Amino acid sequence: KNEVEQSPQNLTAQEGEFITINCSYSVGISALHWLQQHPGGGIVSLFMLSSGKKKHGRLIATINIQEKHSSLHITASHPRDSAVYICAVSASYDKVIFGPGTSLSVIP
Amino acid sequence: EAGVAQSPRYKIIEKRQSVAFWCNPISGHATLYWYQQILGQGPKLLIQFQNNGVVDDSQLPKDRFSAERLKGVDSTLKIQPAKLEDSAVYLCASSYMGGVTGELFFGEGSRLTVL
Repeated sequence: KNEVEQSPQNLTAQEGEFITINCSYSVGISALHWLQQHPGGGIVSLFMLSSGKKKHGRLIATINIQEKHSSLHITASHPRDSAVYICAVSASYDKVIFGPGTSLSVIP
Repeated sequence: EAGVAQSPRYKIIEKRQSVAFWCNPISGHATLYWYQQILGQGPKLLIQFQNNGVVDDSQLPKDRFSAERLKGVDSTLKIQPAKLEDSAVYLCASSYMGGVTGELFFGEGSRLTVL
């Protein structure tokens, strides 16, 4: 079983839809990262959180430490949101463990 | 603030040749990571530096890969000799105090094609 899992693996949405990507992990962490990677592009950090909720524009990230679960929400999705979204956790000794990624495609 | 710089962006070589990638992290970032990302997969850690010391290189194929971070600033990753399965994007990331307290910043990556 992978230490960091994401669902769904692939997601297709219509423009304007509300999108949720889930991440669950099985190790102790000090922080969780949500990352975005556009096709052929580099990786950009969207959020780093260790508790509660963060919001940036149309993106919202939440984490429940007790349940070892995090969600990334995108409101009013747009085709430019099409990318791979990666959940990663910072574990002991600064080790960063990546999830498999969720490939999102937003159709106009 | 300048981001993480990597070069070259693209490299094509024949198998058994050698290649080197360079990374300059954000100024003041103590932790530097090299990741290998094969098409369709998530990043795989190759090596993690804290200043100029190695924290984790357990997944670095040491028979052909080497990395150094002299003076705790920029870093080079070398592959010699390259194999076909080394075709991937090599990502460099840095963090102020490591992932424990620091946000991760990634470079654009160096795409390697081995023919």
